[in-house]
Amino acid sequence: QQPVQSPQAVILREGEDAVINCSSSKALYSVHWYRQKHGEAPVFLMILLKGGEQKGHDKISASFNEKKQQSSLYLTASQLSYSGTYFCGIPPTTDSWGKLQFGAGTQVVVTP
Amino acid sequence: SQTIHQWPATLVQPVGSPLSLECTVEGTSNPNLYWYRQAAGRGLQLLFYSVGIGQISSEVPQNLSASRPQDRQFILSSKKLLLSDSGFYLCAWSVPRTKDSTKLYYEQYFGPGTRLTVT
Repeated sequence: QQPVQSPQAVILREGEDAVINCSSSKALYSVHWYRQKHGEAPVFLMILLKGGEQKGHDKISASFNEKKQQSSLYLTASQLSYSGTYFCGIPPTTDSWGKLQFGAGTQVVVTP
Repeated sequence: SQTIHQWPATLVQPVGSPLSLECTVEGTSNPNLYWYRQAAGRGLQLLFYSVGIGQISSEVPQNLSASRPQDRQFILSSKKLLLSDSGFYLCAWSVPRTKDSTKLYYEQYFGPGTRLTVT
């Protein structure tokens, strides 16, 4: 079952912050975050592993809460280049050979 | 460093025609390979994955098939295209990595994609 992302879309002014959530109805082993710009392939941002770790990619960071079965992606001091659709992906089982089930995506628009 | 190629980049095909999309990976050995489809404005749907030469697993029953004739080559095919086959086809690769000698995980990277329009 695919993860649920929220919100579906968010519009920001440059410099503002945003949070994107990714929730699963079953236990999470890892969470993978990607950004896709219009007409392009998704680009890998980061992976969070079971253990509640946090990671960062430039001013984009993420957290992983196993108990809540969710991950959050934080866009801090957003830049125009942050615009795009953000997807979270989760492996369906522990032994899934790297397969991922993706959420429906969160469209982020950063305006000047 | 690893790179992944897909071709063609764009394709327009009539309904009922065959299809062959190719994906190759460079700079790594024995990668896991995946085919995804993304309909316009939608999410990513896993179609097939492969953990080795000749080993293909299908995730969604449909008129598509996949083959892996060589370690770093993955092909998506169809004998007769349907209108519903239109979309953005993405190939991806991953290799297993470990953290702290215990946690096994896969980082997955996508190719540039093929945009298919069935008319």
